[in-house]
Amino acid sequence: SYKLTQPPSVSVSPGQTARITCSGDALPKQYAYWYRQKPGQAPVVVVYKNTERPSGIPERFSGSGSGTTVTLTISGVQAEDEADYYCQSADNSGVYIVFGGGTKLTV
Amino acid sequence: EVQLLESGGDLVQPGESLRLSCAASGFSLSSFAINWVRQAPGKGLEWVSDISASGGSTHNADSVKGRFTISRDNSKNTVFLQMDSLRREDTAIYYCATTVATPGAFDLWGQGTLVTVSS
Repeated sequence: SYKLTQPPSVSVSPGQTARITCSGDALPKQYAYWYRQKPGQAPVVVVYKNTERPSGIPERFSGSGSGTTVTLTISGVQAEDEADYYCQSADNSGVYIVFGGGTKLTV
Repeated sequence: EVQLLESGGDLVQPGESLRLSCAASGFSLSSFAINWVRQAPGKGLEWVSDISASGGSTHNADSVKGRFTISRDNSKNTVFLQMDSLRREDTAIYYCATTVATPGAFDLWGQGTLVTVSS
């Protein structure tokens, strides 16, 4: 079955830039979405359709993509950004939803 | 306030069945496709199942195919997940989620309901 691959962990100091990648063969064809999840809470979408930012999400969150890899970039990381981050997309058919394994961001 | 509320989680033995509910508050569920997403303890998110707004189209992840059935009763503003032949690996928090205002994304989630499969 289709898989999205993320690094298990990323660590940055406050004020630095964090980049979290997500790789999958269908990403050139299917949109990617990024979610932030803090302990005990439901996920919150921080980037949709590869590069768009929902209202209420700080400008330091941005998304990009190239080929089979998409990237979530958090510029000027703050302590409150420490969380698990998941990419989500669909398989080539567009029918089946898939989440990446998640990346723990440590600040 | 617009909310999704899951219920029905419980402790069950392997092989038993359970039905989860996802109810909408503050809006009509009938216009929205609904997804179930689960998260095993200490693990990542896993998409489980979805159903179209009309209920005419459903899809299931390979891990639950043939065991879980998603359905909806729009008159009751509720979506159901019937889980049969439960396995220990089905132990997880089950969330329902939908797209309300952010195109293509799950931007409305419930608080989750815990299913524990153990003898």
